[in-house]
Amino acid sequence: QVQLVESGGGLVKPGGSLRLSCAASGFTFSDYYMSWIRQAPGKGLEWVSYISSSGSTIYYADSVKGRFTISRDNARNSLYLQLISLRAEDTAVYYCARVRNGYNYQNSYYYYMDVWGKGTTVTVSS
Amino acid sequence: QSVLTQPPSASGTPGQRVTISCSGSSSNIGSNTVNWYQQLPGTAPKLLIYSNNERPSGVPDRFSGSKSGTSASLALSGLQSEDEADYYCAAWDDSLNGYVFGTGTKVTVL
Repeated sequence: QVQLVESGGGLVKPGGSLRLSCAASGFTFSDYYMSWIRQAPGKGLEWVSYISSSGSTIYYADSVKGRFTISRDNARNSLYLQLISLRAEDTAVYYCARVRNGYNYQNSYYYYMDVWGKGTTVTVSS
Repeated sequence: QSVLTQPPSASGTPGQRVTISCSGSSSNIGSNTVNWYQQLPGTAPKLLIYSNNERPSGVPDRFSGSKSGTSASLALSGLQSEDEADYYCAAWDDSLNGYVFGTGTKVTVL
């Protein structure tokens, strides 16, 4: 079945680094854009980044631009998120998700995440 | 700070109809399609409605979405206890070049 499994979370000190991974299975990974979304404790959802199917197009939220790097390895069916210069406010559950996007018959852009992983927890604390 | 505004809470008794609003702007809801996600307690979000009013396979037709101008709404008909969850609207934002989520609405079944 279609599945996404995140890993790599943990406790890290402010200013530290971490690399998150997301293993995909049950679908042709290389056909899909992918995204990272996070949720701070007791807070709402925040989109972090997306990467196109080939890896050639990447977008980041302003809150992580310059500190986080999204990448993918289509041969390994894996998505990654490199986190550096971590701050307390980066503490969150990080989800990876499969993206569906394009233009509909009314020429409106559609973008949504149809498959989500269970998430991996990143805690930034001294 | 979320750019899509939702009421923090909504409630109803079993069988009732509950509606959740989502207010945005011309750069997000006004230009692009709206999606809704359901997050049950302690679980990952799940896609509930996509492209304004489409339901993924397996989502009951008790859930419906609509969009008008720069606002959207999610309706839950025939409310059930298992509908207790947080609900988020979301859309692509052309000005931010990013995906924006609503502030979230907690639905309680009384």
